[in-house]
Amino acid sequence: QLQLQESGSGLVKPSQTLSLTCAVSGGSISSGGYSWNWIRQAPGQGLEWIGYIYNGGRTDYNPSLKGRVSISEDRSKSQISLTLRSVTAADTAVYFCARLNELGTYWYFDVWGRGTLVTVSS
Amino acid sequence: DVQVTQSPSSLSASVGDSVTITCRASQSIISNVNWYRQKPGKAPELLIYSASRLQSGVPSRFSGSASGTDSTLTISSLQLEDFATYYCQQSYSTPWTFGQGTRVEIK
Repeated sequence: QLQLQESGSGLVKPSQTLSLTCAVSGGSISSGGYSWNWIRQAPGQGLEWIGYIYNGGRTDYNPSLKGRVSISEDRSKSQISLTLRSVTAADTAVYFCARLNELGTYWYFDVWGRGTLVTVSS
Repeated sequence: DVQVTQSPSSLSASVGDSVTITCRASQSIISNVNWYRQKPGKAPELLIYSASRLQSGVPSRFSGSASGTDSTLTISSLQLEDFATYYCQQSYSTPWTFGQGTRVEIK
């Protein structure tokens, strides 16, 4: 059974860089038909898609993050990484890693990690 | 971006009630809408994909439909575990976007 586990810095200072990793187990990130996404949820708020990596390294990001974000993969470690630069308090959120199933005509997030809370504070 | 507007933002119901949640997209997204349930402190879990297809393992009391720019999620007989927050999500085009959420509370 595929499992995703987020980890990384839980406290980041304003203007610094947030770095998170998603470890994928029980399956391969190289499998066709899937992309690997980051989604976040500010305290008491809704869900915001950050971006994804797919098809051997191609990426797509939410324009709302204005070029501050990058997502990469390490196939040897079966990990997906998120980097968010120049963070502010508005970036405080629970960050989820999720798989987007693209096998059929319609795409959906079918596997999620538990999420990790990142707080931006001095 | 495709905007999705979800309503109501909250509702109160009793165990056994039937409830309906609506999601309206800013443009036609055909059947590219998914529904998730999120329990407090947990990750969202997929309930319905492609507007009306039940995810494997999800109880049949959940159903979905779509017409034009509107999609609906219906829970036919609320159970205790269904008191949670529900989100719709469009998968028509990136950036993928979610509705604002509907909190289902116990009356």
